[in-house]
Amino acid sequence: AQSVTQLDSHVSVSEGTPVLLRCNYSSSYSPSLFWYVQHPNKGLQLLLKYTSAATLVKGINGFEAEFKKSETSFHLTKPSAHMSDAAEYFCVVSLSNFGNEKLTFGTGTRLTIIP
Amino acid sequence: AAGVIQSPRHLIKEKRETATLKCYPIPRHDTVYWYQQGPGQDPQFLISFYEKMQSDKGSIPDRFSAQQFSDYHSELNMSSLELGDSALYFCASSQDSYGYTFGSGTRLTVV
Repeated sequence: AQSVTQLDSHVSVSEGTPVLLRCNYSSSYSPSLFWYVQHPNKGLQLLLKYTSAATLVKGINGFEAEFKKSETSFHLTKPSAHMSDAAEYFCVVSLSNFGNEKLTFGTGTRLTIIP
Repeated sequence: AAGVIQSPRHLIKEKRETATLKCYPIPRHDTVYWYQQGPGQDPQFLISFYEKMQSDKGSIPDRFSAQQFSDYHSELNMSSLELGDSALYFCASSQDSYGYTFGSGTRLTVV
């Protein structure tokens, strides 16, 4: 079985300050992990993904995430928040078992940027 | 709590056939999104509807069409199916652009 937990449903940061969105997962096998962003009325956009290569993954728009197996975490960070970062963020775990993909979404974290 | 319901859970079709997938959003959710995830691929956004009108369009093939009905459920129609259409199709619903909830998906296998 696999699951993903986004620890904060809502995060507010001031523009120019660091962003931290937390995600913990559980999986019986080595999973692939993703962060997606969804702006209002738009489809999901992939920020970055981890697929058992480098544990520090760099994504688009200055975001990065670090896979920590010992902590079963995949937190998303950005050094300096921008107003355009205001959106909903989803942590996703994907398990491929004998060719059957299973995708599990977290419940999302709404990021608000304070001017 | 009610969740996003997708039907069927699994579907097997032959090439060139037509398939219809259904998505029932959470009550009072006004927006539905459709995604496709092929084997070993990332989910790809297909299309979304807000208040029964198409609100955004992604990489949806011309052979596919979708609509949202008066009760807010949505159907994804796929014609002239190809082997490459085999994928997990899942939908999500939201209200006022936030609070997205994803369904469990429909696994389509084209043989």
